[in-house]
Amino acid sequence: EIVLTQSPGTLSLSPGERATLSCRASQSVMSGFLAWYQQKPGQAPRLLIYGASSRATGIPDRFSGSGSGTDFTLTISRLEPEDFAVYYCQQYGSSSTFGQGTKVEIK
Amino acid sequence: EVQLVESGGGLIQPGGSLRLSCAVSGFTVSKNYMNWVRQAPGKGLEWVSLTYSDGITYYADSVKGRFTISRDNSNDAVYLQMSSLRGEDTAVYYCATGRRYFDYWGQGTLVTVSA
Repeated sequence: EIVLTQSPGTLSLSPGERATLSCRASQSVMSGFLAWYQQKPGQAPRLLIYGASSRATGIPDRFSGSGSGTDFTLTISRLEPEDFAVYYCQQYGSSSTFGQGTKVEIK
Repeated sequence: EVQLVESGGGLIQPGGSLRLSCAVSGFTVSKNYMNWVRQAPGKGLEWVSLTYSDGITYYADSVKGRFTISRDNSNDAVYLQMSSLRGEDTAVYYCATGRRYFDYWGQGTLVTVSA
């Protein structure tokens, strides 16, 4: 099983700042099969990025994904108030596993 | 508009059984890959099961042999039959579409396994 480790656990930032979230895999993720989700309290997760760098339908371009192999990054260029949430990465190249999440909180 | 609505959750004793339902609208179940994904209270996400449009099914090792996913194409619904439930099965169970990543999700239904 591929284990995904997200860092940091919590990111404290102010609106307008840039957020950089990391997702590291225990082995190479086949064909960049990595997705990112956003989850707010009491809500279902929302797909942001798939294929490591493709934005899902309706996702603002301030969200971008990059990486390959074992190291992936989600970047939010300028945080909006609605972006404060928990973010999960998921690999789907070998079965499916999720990271433990990174909470982006207001500083 | 795509909508998924789960139901059937509740409090169940260890060793018991429960069936979850997912009613969908805005798309056709028969032509889509359907999943169940769960989230224990305060924890992360765990993929549980997948059914292909041709009926092939897959399960996480943690539920294999205890859970069964099925679909009713005529009623655009997906089900998760859960048996031999354990405390560690306590979670919000989400229905979600997608073969590999999950693009549409329901709001979830809470299953609590406790004596």
